[in-house]
Amino acid sequence: DIQLTQSPSSLSASVGDRVTITCRASQDISTSLAWYQQKPGKGPKLLIFSASSLDFGVSSRFSGSGSGTDFALTISSLQPEDIGTYYCQRYKRPPLTFGGGTKVEIK
Amino acid sequence: EVELLQSGGGLVPPGRSLRLSCVASGFTFDDFAMHWVRQVPGKGLEWVSSANYNADFIAYADSVKGRFTISRDNAKNTLHLQMNNLRSEDTALYYCGKGTGVVLESSVDYWGQGTLVTVSS
Repeated sequence: DIQLTQSPSSLSASVGDRVTITCRASQDISTSLAWYQQKPGKGPKLLIFSASSLDFGVSSRFSGSGSGTDFALTISSLQPEDIGTYYCQRYKRPPLTFGGGTKVEIK
Repeated sequence: EVELLQSGGGLVPPGRSLRLSCVASGFTFDDFAMHWVRQVPGKGLEWVSSANYNADFIAYADSVKGRFTISRDNAKNTLHLQMNNLRSEDTALYYCGKGTGVVLESSVDYWGQGTLVTVSS
């Protein structure tokens, strides 16, 4: 099965900082990758699909990039409401694996 | 407005069965794949199972294959997860989710509220 490795597992950054989270697939998954945000006590929210397409209504602070095996989620200017855990997910073929998550905190 | 209303969770002893349901509204149910994802409290997300728009194509995580069955009743806009021979490691919050396309190889753009399944004697 194709594995997804997210890094870092956690980060602490200041308001206004540019933050980048990476997700590496163990095999080529083209652009079949999504990013989700999960705030404490809430369900996940889709941010990015097809590696770089912003879901409807998602802030333009968020952007996704990459293809093949290396992907990134970038928050251009971190805001207090961005705290939570971020997950990547591959969906090219089952199993539709999630990455381990990256917890984002405000410094 | 898209809504996914889940029901059916609870406390069950190991080896018993439970059936989760997810009633969808606000979109054309039989135009989209549907998914089940679970999360042990305090841990990460784990994909469980998916069905394409008419359940002709279905997939399961290895951890539940042979014990869980996903099904959908498109006439009733309802997704089910039949969970048999439950184990303690199945204890989690279970989410249903709407796929972004007809095929099961899709991301999840709407999520249910989650239903807690606790497997314990």
